[in-house]
Amino acid sequence: GQQLNQSPQSMFIQEGEDVSMNCTSSSIFNTWLWYKQDPGEGPVLLIALYKAGELTSNGRLTAQFGITRKDSFLNISASIPSDVGIYFCAGQPSGNTPLVFGKGTRLSVIA
Amino acid sequence: EPEVTQTPSHQVTQMGQEVILRCVPISNHLYFYWYRQILGQKVEFLVSFYNNEISEKSEIFDDQFSVERPDGSNFTLKIRSTKLEDSAMYFCASSGTGDGYTFGSGTRLTVV
Repeated sequence: GQQLNQSPQSMFIQEGEDVSMNCTSSSIFNTWLWYKQDPGEGPVLLIALYKAGELTSNGRLTAQFGITRKDSFLNISASIPSDVGIYFCAGQPSGNTPLVFGKGTRLSVIA
Repeated sequence: EPEVTQTPSHQVTQMGQEVILRCVPISNHLYFYWYRQILGQKVEFLVSFYNNEISEKSEIFDDQFSVERPDGSNFTLKIRSTKLEDSAMYFCASSGTGDGYTFGSGTRLTVV
């Protein structure tokens, strides 16, 4: 089946630093989504990308939908302690089809 | 903001017992999903439901599992004869035309 390769697996950064994580796939997706998950909670949508090449920001977060439709990255600028959590990318082949999730990037922010 | 509600938040059950996990999707959404996340692993798709029938299911969703929309608001996942390896977080999600996915907070199922 379709798989997403998400990297890095984990990151330890100093407060104030910028962070970058990405997802790649051998398959094309029509939608890329980035979620954050806090312990014991469900994934919360951060950014949704619907068009190849699209660059979208949400506060300190910026994500891009790769031009080939096979990759996406998420950047977090000026990290703060509450950015700690697991970030998941998810691809959606089309319409209301099931999401395929990456394995997540665990972010730790050192104050 | 509309949300997907899941109950219970935590369920402990004995191996071999049946459990029913409940979800109330967002009211104007038409597509419903169940996903599973084993501790420390990625979120995995189980089943999608549209127009009162299963539209897609993964290989995880075997005869042990069933879904139902018993009334206009609830969407349930039944697991028959639970096994230890069924222990996981189970997430319900819903989506609508032009509306992205919204996930519930999950039910943590512990099989002992």
